[in-house]
Amino acid sequence: DIQMTQSPSSLSASVGDRVTITCQASQDITTFLNWYQQKPGKAPKLLIYDASDLETGVPSRFSGSGSGTDFSLTISSLQPEDIATYYCQQSDNLPLTFGGGTKVDIK
Amino acid sequence: QVQLHESGPRQVKPSETLSLTCTVSGGSMSSYYWSWIRQPAGKGLEWIGRIYGSGSTYYNPSLKSRVTMSIDTSKNQFSLNVSSVTAADTAIYYCARLYSSSWFIFDSWGRGTLVTVSS
Repeated sequence: DIQMTQSPSSLSASVGDRVTITCQASQDITTFLNWYQQKPGKAPKLLIYDASDLETGVPSRFSGSGSGTDFSLTISSLQPEDIATYYCQQSDNLPLTFGGGTKVDIK
Repeated sequence: QVQLHESGPRQVKPSETLSLTCTVSGGSMSSYYWSWIRQPAGKGLEWIGRIYGSGSTYYNPSLKSRVTMSIDTSKNQFSLNVSSVTAADTAIYYCARLYSSSWFIFDSWGRGTLVTVSS
């Protein structure tokens, strides 16, 4: 199985801050990397697919980058509604696997 | 916009079989993969497996010996069975559509249902 490692596991930032979450795959997955946002008590929601493509309707302050084994999700200006846990997920190989999650709070 | 809804018993006794059904509305099931994902309280996401509209399946090797999925496109439903459950199977269970292009993405999710394994 491909292991996905996210860091940090949690972070606190101020409204308006730039926030970056990283995700590392245990082997090369080219750009087969997706990002999801999970708000408390809700199902995950797709934010970004294919490492950098923004899902329709997702605010442009979210962006993704990376290829190979190293990826990142950036929120350019953190908003109160971005409080959530963020997960990366690889789709290069079966079984599909997720990172452990990064919990984002407002400072 | 496709919508998914999980249903089934909220509590299952140890050693018994957990059974859930996902009802799909707003779209065809035939040309898509459908998945189950679970999340223990306060923890991360674990992919259980997928089933295609034709009925072909893939199960996560971590659960393969205990998992069975089925699909009934005439009823717009697919189902999950997990046998010989233990407390470690207590989790929120989500059903989701697994969109397949050159990649696999979970593009629509149900709200999830909490299943507790307890006597």
